[in-house]
Amino acid sequence: EIVLTQTPGTLSLSPGETATLSCRASQSVSSSSLAWYQQKPGQAPRLLLYGASTRATGVPDRFSGSGSGTDFTLTISRLEPEDFAVYYCQQYGSAPRTFGQGTKVEFK
Amino acid sequence: QVQLVESGGGVVQPGGSLRLSCAASGFNFTTYGMHWVRQAPGKGLEWVSFIRYDGSNKYYADSVKGRYTISRDNSKNTVYLQMSSLRVEDTAVYYCAKDRGGVTYLFDYWGQGTLVSVSS
Repeated sequence: EIVLTQTPGTLSLSPGETATLSCRASQSVSSSSLAWYQQKPGQAPRLLLYGASTRATGVPDRFSGSGSGTDFTLTISRLEPEDFAVYYCQQYGSAPRTFGQGTKVEFK
Repeated sequence: QVQLVESGGGVVQPGGSLRLSCAASGFNFTTYGMHWVRQAPGKGLEWVSFIRYDGSNKYYADSVKGRYTISRDNSKNTVYLQMSSLRVEDTAVYYCAKDRGGVTYLFDYWGQGTLVSVSS
């Protein structure tokens, strides 16, 4: 099983700043099959990025992803108030498909 | 627009059973695989089960294998999760999620979730 470790656990930032979230895999993620989801309190997760860097439909371009192999990054530029949430990475290339434990982006 | 509406959650004693339903609309249900994903209170996400568009293949997480059964009724645009031999650690919000393609294990639309609480 591929274990995904997300760092930091919590990121305290102000609107307008840039958030950099990391997701490290215990084994190489095949074909960059890495996705990012956003979850706000009391809501279902929302798919943001897949294939490490492809934005899902309707996702603003301030969200970007990069990485390959075992190291992946989600960058949120110019944080908007609605971006404060928990973010999960997920690998979907190998069974069992697994999620990271999440990074919370909170108001500083 | 795509809508997924779960129902059937509730409180159940350990060892009990429960059936969840997920009614889908806004897309061609008969051509997409469907998943169940759960989230224990205050915890992260865990994939639970998947069923192919035609019901021909079903997959389960090891943690629920042999206790849960996924099924679908394409005439009703509904996917089900039959849960039995429930344990305290099965307590979670259960989400149904649409697969982005055939079998990608990418979840592009989610329902609002239904809470299952296993407690004596």
